[in-house]
Amino acid sequence: AQRVTQPEKLLSVFKGAPVELKCNYSYSGSPELFWYVQYSRQRLQLLLRHISRESIKGFTADLNKGETSFHLKKPFAQEEDSAMYYCALGTDKLIFGTGTRLQVFP
Amino acid sequence: NAGVMQNPRHLVRRRGQEARLRCSPMKGHSHVYWYRQLPEEGLKFMVYLQKENIIDESGMPKERFSAEFPKEGPSILRIQQVVRGDSAAYFCASSPPGLAGPTDTQYFGPGTRLTVL
Repeated sequence: AQRVTQPEKLLSVFKGAPVELKCNYSYSGSPELFWYVQYSRQRLQLLLRHISRESIKGFTADLNKGETSFHLKKPFAQEEDSAMYYCALGTDKLIFGTGTRLQVFP
Repeated sequence: NAGVMQNPRHLVRRRGQEARLRCSPMKGHSHVYWYRQLPEEGLKFMVYLQKENIIDESGMPKERFSAEFPKEGPSILRIQQVVRGDSAAYFCASSPPGLAGPTDTQYFGPGTRLTVL
């Protein structure tokens, strides 16, 4: 079965602390993975995708096929990073995880 | 470019009524997707459409739900004889023409929050 698991509903850190939002997937084929973000009162938008291998707003994510993971990381969190983060698996459709709310305290 | 537009933003219906949700994709986009989000859950894929074609409706409930994307005008998600369990946020997304389809970057609308009394 195709599935995306985000085990943490809420992640709270202080400004300047490292952040890791976990994402595991279940898919037998070659996966395409994405992180989407929704800031307060804004639309869901693409943050990054594994195929582009770029860093956006200081965030990176590495696809680990052995562990079937695509964790999102940032070495130093900022208050403006507070948002809902959704990991998504792209097959013939986008399959979303349940999301993790990141709270960054000053 | 105004982005993906959805209306209404909020819709209240009584049980048994019909709900019509509209989505205008971004200019130049020919792929439209509908998702449903129940409280405390992620977005669940419902249907993928191109102009005048339903490409994948594997996420649509078998009864009462239908979707269209006509040659002219917005995409419509229609829910007949609504029940309380249909209360949710419904999101539309669009992506540019091309073979990537669902795995291309999807641009989301603000959503329609449906409340069934």
